[in-house]
Amino acid sequence: AQSVTQLGSHVSVSEGALVLLRCNYSSSVPPYLFWYVQYPNQGLQLLLKYTSAATLVKGINGFEAEFKKSETSFHLTKPSAHMSDAAEYFCAISLGGNKLTFGGGTRVLVKP
Amino acid sequence: EPEVTQTPSHQVTQMGQEVILRCVPISNHLYFYWYRQILGQKVEFLVSFYNNEISEKSEIFDDQFSVERPDGSNFTLKIRSTKLEDSAMYFCASSFSQGALGMNTEAFFGQGTRLTVV
Repeated sequence: AQSVTQLGSHVSVSEGALVLLRCNYSSSVPPYLFWYVQYPNQGLQLLLKYTSAATLVKGINGFEAEFKKSETSFHLTKPSAHMSDAAEYFCAISLGGNKLTFGGGTRVLVKP
Repeated sequence: EPEVTQTPSHQVTQMGQEVILRCVPISNHLYFYWYRQILGQKVEFLVSFYNNEISEKSEIFDDQFSVERPDGSNFTLKIRSTKLEDSAMYFCASSFSQGALGMNTEAFFGQGTRLTVV
């Protein structure tokens, strides 16, 4: 069985500061990993995905994530936070099919 | 840009009543899913559907739940006799394919239906 753990249910960053959201996974087979974002009153939007190609994955809105097998991690970063990045972020895992197992989510607050 | 649409956005129902949540997936997609998120909890997989049958379901998806693709465009989730604990945000999703290479496997999500059982 697979699982995802997101460290920190809430993260507060200053505008212009680095955003770092942590995701660790557990899987018995090579996984596919995803980051989704949910803006208030909206659905889940894919930010980026790892599917066994490049370990550093670039996504939309300046986000990127690095797959580290040795650390079973897939942390999400953005060099400079913008007010519009305030949202909830979900890490998710899939084992080749499309059933997604989600982490608990991290809510990002951006301070001016 | 194509999108998954869900109706209604909010639904309030009395315990024991049947509800049907509706979804229109992206038109050329072949795989369809329902997820739910109870307030304050994780997004949980309920069921996946392909070629007019359920391909996988979770332990949450018991006999009270059913899914249907009645007319080639809509994808519905029916809860036969709602319980208080069914109160949640229900998300529909669709994808074009489901493959080991991960190509075109991105699942597109709708905005969700908030179901409140009173």
